Amino acid sequence: KNQVEQSPQSLIILEGKNCTLQCNYTVSPFSNLRWYKQDTGRGPVSLTIMTFSENTKSNGRYTATLDADTKQSSLHITASQLSDSASYICVVGSSGGSYIPTFGRGTSLIVHP
Amino acid sequence: SQTIHQWPATLVQPVGSPLSLECTVEGTSNPNLYWYRQAAGRGLQLLFYSVGIGQISSEVPQNLSASRPQDRQFILSSKKLLLSDSGFYLCAWSGGLARGNEQFFGPGTRLTVL
Repeated sequence: KNQVEQSPQSLIILEGKNCTLQCNYTVSPFSNLRWYKQDTGRGPVSLTIMTFSENTKSNGRYTATLDADTKQSSLHITASQLSDSASYICVVGSSGGSYIPTFGRGTSLIVHP
Repeated sequence: SQTIHQWPATLVQPVGSPLSLECTVEGTSNPNLYWYRQAAGRGLQLLFYSVGIGQISSEVPQNLSASRPQDRQFILSSKKLLLSDSGFYLCAWSGGLARGNEQFFGPGTRLTVL
């Protein structure tokens, strides 16, 4: 069964600090992995998308890494800002003909001033 | 560029009343369309998806139904709402497997059933 596990479930950090969110998956065959940011009461917005051959991708202060061998990904946020407070969702797509990606339950990040 | 719209943004309905949520996509053709529900503090639960007009697949048995009367229109309905139908409903579209099936989400509808 395809699964995506995210950790930690929630995280509180001070403004200006860095943090790293984790994502482990068992989706097979693997196609791509996406990180979304979801502000409270809003739809998720894509931050990065990585395929099998990519092991890192950046979007401003967000850097995602992918280790396809260990089936792990991380999202690193540098110099956090109050606006980074949101839920971060890891989503893995399969190349096995399914139109349905597998979602993690998300990590809730709170950035305090 | 592609855009996705949902309405209404918020809705408060009594138990037993009908429901109709609408989602439309602009700037693309033949998208895959999805309805998700997100309970408070929980992950996204896939309800329905569609790969073409009139083609609907249901992922979770429930009292909700979906229809796709036009290529870029996806409607979520219920004849009689339950308290458990409360939640945040998200519509999404994707360009299919050829584009990595990356999904783009609408702004969502907050439904409260009283």
